[in-house]
Amino acid sequence: DQQVKQNSPSLSVQEGRISILNCDYTNSMFDYFLWYKKYPAEGPTFLISISSIKDKNEDGRFTVFLNKSAKHLSLHIVPSQPGDSAVYFCAASGFVGTYNTDKLIFGTGTRLQVFP
Amino acid sequence: KAGVTQTPRYLIKTRGQQVTLSCSPISGHRSVSWYQQTPGQGLQFLFEYFSETQRNKGNFPGRFSGRQFSNSRSEMNVSTLELGDSALYLCASSLGTQTNEKLFFGSGTQLSVL
Repeated sequence: DQQVKQNSPSLSVQEGRISILNCDYTNSMFDYFLWYKKYPAEGPTFLISISSIKDKNEDGRFTVFLNKSAKHLSLHIVPSQPGDSAVYFCAASGFVGTYNTDKLIFGTGTRLQVFP
Repeated sequence: KAGVTQTPRYLIKTRGQQVTLSCSPISGHRSVSWYQQTPGQGLQFLFEYFSETQRNKGNFPGRFSGRQFSNSRSEMNVSTLELGDSALYLCASSLGTQTNEKLFFGSGTQLSVL
């Protein structure tokens, strides 16, 4: 049962335009959400996070939006740059299932390609 | 400050064998988590160790096990390898003392089972 879903496996965006990556979750107990970026042959690196008490968090070109009623979050990258080309994972944490954990549950990832 | 170090980077094994992967966390980090990454499945949580004790566990069979040493270094072992165990195994560390901590990942060990 995939509790964090990224339904778009890939996204292609022109340089300078906005990239919007989407993520849906099913467990209303999740209370903290993060985005990680992963380049080939490297481990994921933290990008930006948001707590469930907020609906928006911004860091430079990156903004994460959280819609708790829809159990949906999105990552906006403006403007997109070729160096942003990577796989983006959303992740959630909170009390999950039969065991308490604040460890991260990851989505399946979206491969972003930014072309000139 | 050195990052999370995983060894080896690549491994090729055959079905039925066992394998041990190693992870050295960031200095001062006491929590080590292991994830399996496969195409289409994202990162699947295996287990987490804190102060030499398994604190959290994902939904993987008992063939997957781990341990943590007093210096916080961790090893993961997979016994009786199956073809489906071919994946990138990622280790991540954190302080382990707070909720909602960021995880810092190593570059992973790419395991191929033939």
